[in-house]
Amino acid sequence: DTEVTQTPKHLVMGMTNKKSLKCEQHMGHRAMYWYKQKAKKPPELMFVYSYEKLSINESVPSRFSPECPNSSLLNLHLHALQPEDSALYLCASSQGGTGKFQPQHFGDGTRLSIL
Amino acid sequence: AQSVSQHNHHVILSEAASLELGCNYSYGGTVNLFWYVQYPGQHLQLLLKYFSGDPLVKGIKGFEAEFIKSKFSFNLRKPSVQWSDTAEYFCAVNGAAGNKLTFGGGTRVLVKP
Repeated sequence: DTEVTQTPKHLVMGMTNKKSLKCEQHMGHRAMYWYKQKAKKPPELMFVYSYEKLSINESVPSRFSPECPNSSLLNLHLHALQPEDSALYLCASSQGGTGKFQPQHFGDGTRLSIL
Repeated sequence: AQSVSQHNHHVILSEAASLELGCNYSYGGTVNLFWYVQYPGQHLQLLLKYFSGDPLVKGIKGFEAEFIKSKFSFNLRKPSVQWSDTAEYFCAVNGAAGNKLTFGGGTRVLVKP
């Protein structure tokens, strides 16, 4: 079992809905990440938080809004998504901040379907 | 910018066969290299990593990888595979600041019993 917990595991939403994805880790990691993985493709980085501050935004559309309320939690707020946003959304965390090249630990992901 | 290339998209082999998956990266500076595995329906798991030192790295489940700096390669090997090694394998590189991990396209491995 992974030590990075993501909820919900599955989410179906309409294009006008607002929903949030949640990620939690209790390993004391200070860097957290959101990735998007389309079917049969590798994960693609979306956002990186280091010590609760956004350090990398990979030019992600504003309909995705990340939030890091504390060192253990990472949210991804979704609004007005498009069908092409359907994918597996992965959360990861790593020890220390992003200045240290530590391996990332991944959650099981949230499988998102946009109707 | 950093990039990773995995040569094989699909590999099919029988139990007890040897496995080698190719990985080449592109980055001008010092890199950290990883192999992750994703079993069907499961999360990405770290198989092994290379940061520095001995270029032959041993990981979990009998896997190893060799970093060859001159060839910009980090190939994954296992001498004798099992049916349970059926999974997708991703090579990843981390060289840029911010612990930005870039994945290769992945290789789907099917081990026939």
